[in-house]
Amino acid sequence: KAGVTQTPRYLIKTRGQQVTLSCSPISGHRSVSWYQQTPGQGLQFLFEYFSETQRNKGNFPGRFSGRQFSNSRSEMNVSTLELGDSALYLCASSRGTSGTDTQYFGPGTRLTVL
Amino acid sequence: SQKIEQNSEALNIQEGKTATLTCNYTNYSPAYLQWYRQDPGRGPVFLLLIRENEKEKRKERLKVTFDTTLKQSLFHITASQPADSATYLCALCTYNNNDMRFGAGTRLTVKP
Repeated sequence: KAGVTQTPRYLIKTRGQQVTLSCSPISGHRSVSWYQQTPGQGLQFLFEYFSETQRNKGNFPGRFSGRQFSNSRSEMNVSTLELGDSALYLCASSRGTSGTDTQYFGPGTRLTVL
Repeated sequence: SQKIEQNSEALNIQEGKTATLTCNYTNYSPAYLQWYRQDPGRGPVFLLLIRENEKEKRKERLKVTFDTTLKQSLFHITASQPADSATYLCALCTYNNNDMRFGAGTRLTVKP
């Protein structure tokens, strides 16, 4: 079974630009969660999608948005980039039917904002 | 506000010893607690899950305890090996929420 894939793996943008990151979950998984990881704040939950609906949202500004397609693939968008948005963005997929479901993480997208 | 604290940023131990990592939480009532391992440049990998009504869980050289009174979980690696060197993260999840809250992680180094 193929794992979670994320594209691109690395991205360099400048302040004010916008960016779209993509995540393909494990086949059969309907839940995709997004996280931001920085050395100072650790892993922080952004949002979770299940069957094309946002089920949960973390404490991030509206510049961070996402969506999920009918094939469970998900995209995350950050508009008006700030220097502080530089981070590793991880997505994780799971069956999404229970809190005990294992989350499988992708390798992440390293975003650098200059 | 909710807080999840892992005992230390870094832990160094000698090969063969038992590594013990701590995860404490406040203002939270998790139904499940999970432990993950993360290697540099890679996403976290699931290791163990323990439910609120379970006191202890084992898997090979790994053992997790969960004390909801103390609001604490302990993660043990027995007979540690240099290959166990990584960052270990605890994550909490409530019954109905599907957002997991992670601790900052403890970087374990096992010296040969």
